[in-house]
Amino acid sequence: DGGITQSPKYLFRKEGQNVTLSCEQNLNHDAMYWYRQDPGQGLRLIYYSQIVNDFQKGDIAEGYSVSREKKESFPLTVTSAQKNPTAFYLCASKNSGGNNEQFFGPGTRLTVL
Amino acid sequence: AQSVAQPEDQVNVAEGNPLTVKCTYSVSGNPYLFWYVQYPNRGLQFLLKYITGDNLVKGSYGFEAEFNKSQTSFHLKKPSALVSDSALYFCAVRDVSSGAGSYQLTFGKGTKLSVIP
Repeated sequence: DGGITQSPKYLFRKEGQNVTLSCEQNLNHDAMYWYRQDPGQGLRLIYYSQIVNDFQKGDIAEGYSVSREKKESFPLTVTSAQKNPTAFYLCASKNSGGNNEQFFGPGTRLTVL
Repeated sequence: AQSVAQPEDQVNVAEGNPLTVKCTYSVSGNPYLFWYVQYPNRGLQFLLKYITGDNLVKGSYGFEAEFNKSQTSFHLKKPSALVSDSALYFCAVRDVSSGAGSYQLTFGKGTKLSVIP
């Protein structure tokens, strides 16, 4: 899982609560990504950021928010507006250059009770 | 638009036999292609990538993949499977012609590989 850490590993939330997932990288990568993984659906992009203080919506951004105040940090907030938040969330980072691979963190499993 | 398909949800192979996990892609220009592996409750680990050059790409843990432009495929292979290779495998693609401001990868839905002792 390289130099990317995600915390917590497991997270439980009651319906109606916002929750923030942490993602930190020490790889000095410019770009960072958040994906959601559901069984049988592969990875779907939630948000991505190519530089500090800038981020773009991915394919399934509704109900999520992010910030990129520091190069090494890209936290994801799952809001109460997300209708089905129970999933495995993966953070990734990547060096500049279109042909470079993404490095992934170990993931956070979020369960809504 | 870019897309990738992994036609098999699951592949079963006996230990010691060769394995193939299939991937086909669709891009408007030329592709960058990647394979990742995921063990249960873990993040994805990079295996190999095709950028340009030799169509046969060698990667980690004895895996290799062959880029076939005419068939728009990038199948993952290994000559002799190990039980420890059992995992979920993802193919991903990026269209080279997509703008410099977009480094998005599109992932397949994954193929579960089971190596039977």
